Amino acid sequence: EIVLTQSPGTLSLSPGERATLSCRASQRLTSSYLAWYQQKPGQAPSLLIYVSSYRATGVPDRFSGSGSGTDFTLTISRLEPEDFAVYYCQQYGSSPYTFGQGTKLEIK
Amino acid sequence: EVQLLESGGGLVQPGGSLRLSCAASGFTLSTYAMSWVRQAPGKGLEWVAGISGTGATTNFGDSVKGRFTISKDDSKNTLFLQMNSLRAEDTAVYYCARDGYNFVPFDYWGQGILVTVSS
Repeated sequence: EIVLTQSPGTLSLSPGERATLSCRASQRLTSSYLAWYQQKPGQAPSLLIYVSSYRATGVPDRFSGSGSGTDFTLTISRLEPEDFAVYYCQQYGSSPYTFGQGTKLEIK
Repeated sequence: EVQLLESGGGLVQPGGSLRLSCAASGFTLSTYAMSWVRQAPGKGLEWVAGISGTGATTNFGDSVKGRFTISKDDSKNTLFLQMNSLRAEDTAVYYCARDGYNFVPFDYWGQGILVTVSS
């Protein structure tokens, strides 16, 4: 099983700032099958990024993903108030699919 | 419009069984892989099980292997999760999710259904 470790656990920033979230895999990911999801309280997760760097339909371009191998990054260029949420990375190239433990992005 | 609607959750005693359903609309279930993902209260996401579009292939997370089964009825466009030998640690909100095309993972999710395992 591939273990994903996200850092930091909590990130405190202000609107307008840049956010950088990290996801590290315990082994190299097949074809960079790494996704990022956003989850707000009481809601289902929502897909943001797939195959490491492709934005899902309707996702604003302030969200970007990068990385390959074992190290991946989600960047939010300028935080909007609605971006404060929990973010999860997920690998889906190898069963069992696994998620990271999440990064909570909170307002400073 | 794609929609996924879970049902069948509730309170069950340890050792009991429960079957969750996920009614899909806006697309044909037989042409997409599907998964169940759960989230324990205040915790992160855990992939539970997946099934291919044809239904020929199923996979399970280690924590539920041998206790849970995933199936679907394409004629009713409905996905199922049969949960047996339930434990307290199975308490969670269970989501069904659609696996998209072209290497897109879970592009649509249901609203989730709560399963509580307690005596």
